[in-house]
Amino acid sequence: AQSVTQLDSQVPVFEEAPVELRCNYSSSVSVYLFWYVQYPNQGLQLLLKYLSGSTLVKGINGFEAEFNKSQTSFHLRKPSVHISDTAEYFCAVSSYGGSQGNLIFGKGTKLSVKP
Amino acid sequence: DGGITQSPKYLFRKEGQNVTLSCEQNLNHDAMYWYRQDPGQGLRLIYYSQIVNDFQKGDIAEGYSVSREKKESFPLTVTSAQKNPTAFYLCASIGQGNSPLHFGNGTRLTVT
Repeated sequence: AQSVTQLDSQVPVFEEAPVELRCNYSSSVSVYLFWYVQYPNQGLQLLLKYLSGSTLVKGINGFEAEFNKSQTSFHLRKPSVHISDTAEYFCAVSSYGGSQGNLIFGKGTKLSVKP
Repeated sequence: DGGITQSPKYLFRKEGQNVTLSCEQNLNHDAMYWYRQDPGQGLRLIYYSQIVNDFQKGDIAEGYSVSREKKESFPLTVTSAQKNPTAFYLCASIGQGNSPLHFGNGTRLTVT
């Protein structure tokens, strides 16, 4: 069985500061890893994904994440956040070679960017 | 533009009534999914369908039913057997290869 833990339910940060949203996963098999963003009352939008290859993955809106197999982590980072980054962020995992639609999601981290 | 349409955006029902949530996609995707989202709980998979006329239960299928008569459509029925139906419901679809999961904008169901 797989599981995803997002260590912080809420992260407040000032505009232009760096941010890291933490994600750890548990799986007995190799995995694909994803970060999605959700703005209020909307669906989820893919930020970035790790399937294989380079462990540093760059996504949209200036976000990046690093896959660390030994620590089973996939933390999301942005060097300088904007007010518009205020949203909820979800880390998700699926089995390597399986459908990218059968995802196990974490409980989400609400990023609040203050002026 | 291609995408996933969920309707209505807000839905109100009385306890004991069945209600059907609509999901239509024009992305020509084979696989479609229904997720339920509760505050602080993330998303949980209800049902999914990888081809027309076939679907599988997800982690929380009890109290829900689906059909997949057309490739474009994957309606979800929340039955009176679902003990806590009030939630935000998200429909998604995925294409071939390494394409990502596409989400609709969701339907917020309130049952009183």
